[in-house]
Amino acid sequence: DADVTQTPRNRITKTGKRIMLECSQTKGHDRMYWYRQDPGLGLRLIYYSFDVKDINKGEISDGYSVSRQAQAKFSLSLESAIPNQTALYFCATSDFLGTDTQYFGPGTRLTVL
Amino acid sequence: RKEVEQDPGPFNVPEGATVAFNCTYSNSASQSFFWYRQDCRKEPKLLMSVYSSGNEDGRFTAQLNRASQYISLLIRDSKLSDSATYLCVVPARDNYGQNFVFGPGTRLSVLP
Repeated sequence: DADVTQTPRNRITKTGKRIMLECSQTKGHDRMYWYRQDPGLGLRLIYYSFDVKDINKGEISDGYSVSRQAQAKFSLSLESAIPNQTALYFCATSDFLGTDTQYFGPGTRLTVL
Repeated sequence: RKEVEQDPGPFNVPEGATVAFNCTYSNSASQSFFWYRQDCRKEPKLLMSVYSSGNEDGRFTAQLNRASQYISLLIRDSKLSDSATYLCVVPARDNYGQNFVFGPGTRLSVLP
């Protein structure tokens, strides 16, 4: 089984709808991240969490919110989706025990019509 | 200057060729650097970490030049399976220095 999972893998929604993307990990890492990827722009950080009680905004947090329900779960919400939020969304984890390696989930492809 | 910039590519090279990508960064305090590989529509995966002057792993060599603030990735004897986008990752200039900035990536196509 994959260490970092994301649901749904694909989602098509309409402008104005609320949508939640979920991320779960079995790696036991404290740190979790949400990124979005757009063609030609690379991955941009939306929110990150270094433990259950810690939530921080990233580079592009406007229009998004997150919830860290447990060490293993980190959800991203779009309160009122808009078309320019159409993108590929990745969740990632890291342990920062000397390696800083980030482990990514398979991604969620979101389309907002 | 953007935090991380990469050769725009794409690089189209024949099998067996040697190819090098460059990445420049603006945060002079950066201590750790990474190259990730991303296949089309898949998640990024760590290829190499660079903590000192460089690192070598088989056909892959990463070199760091702190004075000029760039990192390079050299791939020798290219294989078809090396075709992917290569992402340069450096620490972000945030208060904690614990986050990372991803470059836009350099796409490599290895041709038969």
